[in-house]
Amino acid sequence: QVQLQESGPGLVKPSETLSLTCTVSGGSISSYYWSWIRQPPGQGLEWIGFIYYGGITNYNPSLKSRVTISVDTSKNQFSLKMRSVTAADTAVYYCASGGNYYVSGTYSYYMDVWGKGTTVTVSS
Amino acid sequence: SYELTQPPSVSVSPGQTARITCSGDALPKQYVYWYQQKPGQAPVLVIYKDSERPSGIPERFSGSSSGTTVTLTISGVQAEDEADYYCQSADSSGTYVIFGGGTKLTVL
Repeated sequence: QVQLQESGPGLVKPSETLSLTCTVSGGSISSYYWSWIRQPPGQGLEWIGFIYYGGITNYNPSLKSRVTISVDTSKNQFSLKMRSVTAADTAVYYCASGGNYYVSGTYSYYMDVWGKGTTVTVSS
Repeated sequence: SYELTQPPSVSVSPGQTARITCSGDALPKQYVYWYQQKPGQAPVLVIYKDSERPSGIPERFSGSSSGTTVTLTISGVQAEDEADYYCQSADSSGTYVIFGGGTKLTVL
């Protein structure tokens, strides 16, 4: 069974870059979809984006200009970089793995394994 | 932008049936997935492909779909089911993932 663990700084200054890593154990990062999701305090879940085999990425349109997700297959890790952060980016950040189904001529995505989450605060 | 709409809250007594809805224009073309999130914990997938139940999820959790609305049903609600529930799907072109706003289930 795949297990995921997020790591990275818990405090980031405004205008700087947030960098998080998710370490994958119990499975190969060369398979599946690898996602980042965040949850601001007291609010709902927001999908940030995912990367899948071949390094293809999809991002939330509202965050696309500031976000990069990448994979390091040698370390079985994938990473999130979010540039020019503000206090609005303060949240619990989750990494997750999942897959897709082909339905009605298009793709449907799910996340069935989640990390425990890591809290990131944006403050000076 | 595309949205999935859930009721903010649902309340039921133990042993009763809870129904949580999720509405969206693309749902006739897309599958919906349901996640349960308890305080301080990561979400857990409880329903996939509208109505399938992952292994280890109790049989009292079920899902159904009708047009632009999907429903998560919890039969014989137990105190341990008190949590936030999120539906998740994709846009009609299958480009991006979207979550509903979440529903807080309270067991009275």
